[in-house]
Amino acid sequence: RKEVEQDPGPFNVPEGATVAFNCTYSNSASQSFFWYRQDCRKEPKLLMSVYSSGNEDGRFTAQLNRASQYISLLIRDSKLSDSATYLCVVTPYNTDKLIFGTGTRLQVFP
Amino acid sequence: DAGITQSPRYKITETGRQVTLMCHQTWSHSYMFWYRQDLGHGLRLIYYSAAADITDKGEVPDGYVVSRSKTENFPLTLESATRSQTSVYFCASSESGKLFFGSGTQLSVL
Repeated sequence: RKEVEQDPGPFNVPEGATVAFNCTYSNSASQSFFWYRQDCRKEPKLLMSVYSSGNEDGRFTAQLNRASQYISLLIRDSKLSDSATYLCVVTPYNTDKLIFGTGTRLQVFP
Repeated sequence: DAGITQSPRYKITETGRQVTLMCHQTWSHSYMFWYRQDLGHGLRLIYYSAAADITDKGEVPDGYVVSRSKTENFPLTLESATRSQTSVYFCASSESGKLFFGSGTQLSVL
């Protein structure tokens, strides 16, 4: 089993739609969680950290479910510019290595 | 501008040749990382470094060598390039667990 797993998609949604991605992780002792965004094989960029209590940044909401070992990303009112690959990243306990999922591709159409 | 820069941006080489990919950061971050990205595998950690003169293997270190004589530089060397090393290589530095990536080097081994 991979340490971090994501549905590769693509998720094809119309503008204005709400879309959600999940990401599961295998190490129950994982301590830090992030969502990164990557455009067309450019470098990944940090989208947001994921906190235990859940957190929101504009149209984006991230949540962590430790019991079921998954994190989620919700995007409301999708824009064309949201089209990208979203990477789930997990830091196992007591390590400085970040483990990446293979990414979920989102395509927003007009 | 401050940041993390990689060179070259594109490189074509032949099997058996030695190739060095350069990475330079201006933030003085302690941690630096090398990832490769391939379709179907996502980002995989090759090597990382916690500080100058401290390096450690990641998930896929075979065929690669790194050094970190100065905090700001973290070159990656392919000692004898193979076709399986054709990939996009990303260097990154981190602060507070968050990664900041260079623009990547697209390497083709013929």
